[in-house]
Amino acid sequence: EPEVTQTPSHQVTQMGQEVILRCVPISNHLYFYWYRQILGQKVEFLVSFYNNEISEKSEIFDDQFSVERPDGSNFTLKIRSTKLEDSAMYFCASGPESPLPQHFGDGTRLSIL
Amino acid sequence: LAKTTQPISMDSYEGQEVNITCSHNNIATNDYITWYQQFPSQGPRFIIQGYKTKVTNEVASLFIPADRKSSTLSLPRVSLSDTAVYYCLVRPISSGSARQLTFGSGTQLTVLP
Repeated sequence: EPEVTQTPSHQVTQMGQEVILRCVPISNHLYFYWYRQILGQKVEFLVSFYNNEISEKSEIFDDQFSVERPDGSNFTLKIRSTKLEDSAMYFCASGPESPLPQHFGDGTRLSIL
Repeated sequence: LAKTTQPISMDSYEGQEVNITCSHNNIATNDYITWYQQFPSQGPRFIIQGYKTKVTNEVASLFIPADRKSSTLSLPRVSLSDTAVYYCLVRPISSGSARQLTFGSGTQLTVLP
């Protein structure tokens, strides 16, 4: 069964550094998403992306965040200047239609030191 | 968005059928009901989706009464590996834009030997 794959599985970064989280969505999907989950808390929506543009974004997704689909297969989340509170699991999701179903990757654990 | 309410936790024993009920009193006409499962350190996994009556797949059944103000996820003959958090989500189906999913706290199902 096709999967959403995310790399790296764990990223450790110094505060203030830029980080790029990478995702390869399922190949025929058109809708793409980033979510995050701080340890022990709910899964929170960050941003959704369709037709090469952002469809929705949450209050969390401020100017420090950006998304890109640089080619036909990758979908990236960039955090320009990381803060301690950015430490979380970041999940990428994709879907063939909106908004359901969304297929999630297994996440990147981001640790900010 | 329709608000959902589900039990915080449930315990069951191996081999039993488990029913998790979700209340969504202000569900709208074009809302679908979707259930996700999440294991620790993994992304949410789509289980089942429905609009009315009963939906069944290889993993679970979803029962939705006529008024659609609640729904019940039924897991037949659970095993230890079904221990996870189960989320009920309600969201309108639409196309043309990528829409977020809003996760609540979910129901922590613990299957005991």
